[in-house]
Amino acid sequence: AQSVSQHNHHVILSEAASLELGCNYSYGGTVNLFWYVQYPGQHLQLLLKYFSGDPLVKGIKGFEAEFIKSKFSFNLRKPSVQWSDTAEYFCAVVNNAGNMLTFGGGTRLMVKP
Amino acid sequence: EAGVAQSPRYKIIEKRQSVAFWCNPISGHATLYWYQQILGQGPKLLIQFQNNGVVDDSQLPKDRFSAERLKGVDSTLKIQPAKLEDSAVYLCASSPSGYPGADTYGYTFGSGTRLTVV
Repeated sequence: AQSVSQHNHHVILSEAASLELGCNYSYGGTVNLFWYVQYPGQHLQLLLKYFSGDPLVKGIKGFEAEFIKSKFSFNLRKPSVQWSDTAEYFCAVVNNAGNMLTFGGGTRLMVKP
Repeated sequence: EAGVAQSPRYKIIEKRQSVAFWCNPISGHATLYWYQQILGQGPKLLIQFQNNGVVDDSQLPKDRFSAERLKGVDSTLKIQPAKLEDSAVYLCASSPSGYPGADTYGYTFGSGTRLTVV
């Protein structure tokens, strides 16, 4: 069975700091990878996704993620965070054997103004 | 296009009572999912429908939870009787097709129903 690990449960940064959130998955076959964001009081929204091709994926609001197959990782990055990036971030994976999203436990990001 | 609609937004019940949640997916989406998100955790899949058939319900506590999707459109999730540990946000999501690997473009989540069991 596939699983997803997000090792940082809480991250606190000041505005303009750089962000990197870790995500590792366990599945030996082909996977599709996602980052979702949940702003306070809002529903889950897709930030970016990787299906194939360029392992560096760019998403909305200046976020990007890099798929490193050898490390089973899909870390999320942003060069300079803003207060409005305060939210919870979820990494998710679906394998090509099914269409079921499996989520990691989430990382709660707080950006101090 | 309209999003995934869920109701109610909030529900508070006492333990051992029953409760039902409703989901209306995006029009034309064949696949519908119910997820449970306990505070501080990631969403966990409870059940997956393709049209009106169940694809995966392996993580649904069937002694107390039930779900149906009549006519392959709306869906209801029921808990009877509720326990304290059922306090969570129940999320509904839908995607266009039911073919393995083909739905990865179109997961859309609703705003969820926040259940508190006291």
